[in-house]
Amino acid sequence: GAGVSQTPSNKVTEKGKYVELRCDPISGHTALYWYRQSLGQGPEFLIYFQGTGAADDSGLPNDRFFAVRPEGSVSTLKIQRTERGDSAVYLCASSPTGTSYNEQFFGPGTRLTVL
Amino acid sequence: SQKIEQNSEALNIQEGKTATLTCNYTNYSPAYLQWYRQDPGRGPVFLLLIRENEKEKRKERLKVTFDTTLKQSLFHITASQPADSATYLCALLGFQGAQKLVFGQGTRLTINP
Repeated sequence: GAGVSQTPSNKVTEKGKYVELRCDPISGHTALYWYRQSLGQGPEFLIYFQGTGAADDSGLPNDRFFAVRPEGSVSTLKIQRTERGDSAVYLCASSPTGTSYNEQFFGPGTRLTVL
Repeated sequence: SQKIEQNSEALNIQEGKTATLTCNYTNYSPAYLQWYRQDPGRGPVFLLLIRENEKEKRKERLKVTFDTTLKQSLFHITASQPADSATYLCALLGFQGAQKLVFGQGTRLTINP
């Protein structure tokens, strides 16, 4: 079956611009996660959705970052006034429920480059 | 502050030998520990999960141990193959429903033929 998909695969933007990154989770998965991964580092948690609501947004670095999941499936990560330090691979993951021990299924990521 | 460290950035092993990767953590009490594999340009792929009350878990050529006293997990690949070459990440989950994975920085494993 289809895995987690993310679009675009690559995004190049200029400092100060607004970007949206999209995640399509595995069908039926209620939990959705966003992570950010810099070169040579492990993924860093940003936000977790259970259904439509953000259950934990403690990893969002500042108020320029926002994410939504209005119908409990597709999610969009939105970054305003991008900065060069936002350059990273943004990973999305989903799991069947929000149960702690569930494995998370990751998408291939969106590589964001801010010039 | 919470810290997770994987033993080295890179590890080179001869084909057929056992590769052992280490994950240490401080200021943290995880309920579960997971290991993931990540290939270049791809997202992490789940391999194994071990609970705090389990000492060891096996899956085919993989073995994971979890020592909550030492605050350490060991990940072993026996009879290693060049196809096992990848970056391996350990990830911790906390208690009381905390859902976020906290990852180590990863160890890049290369199996030489």
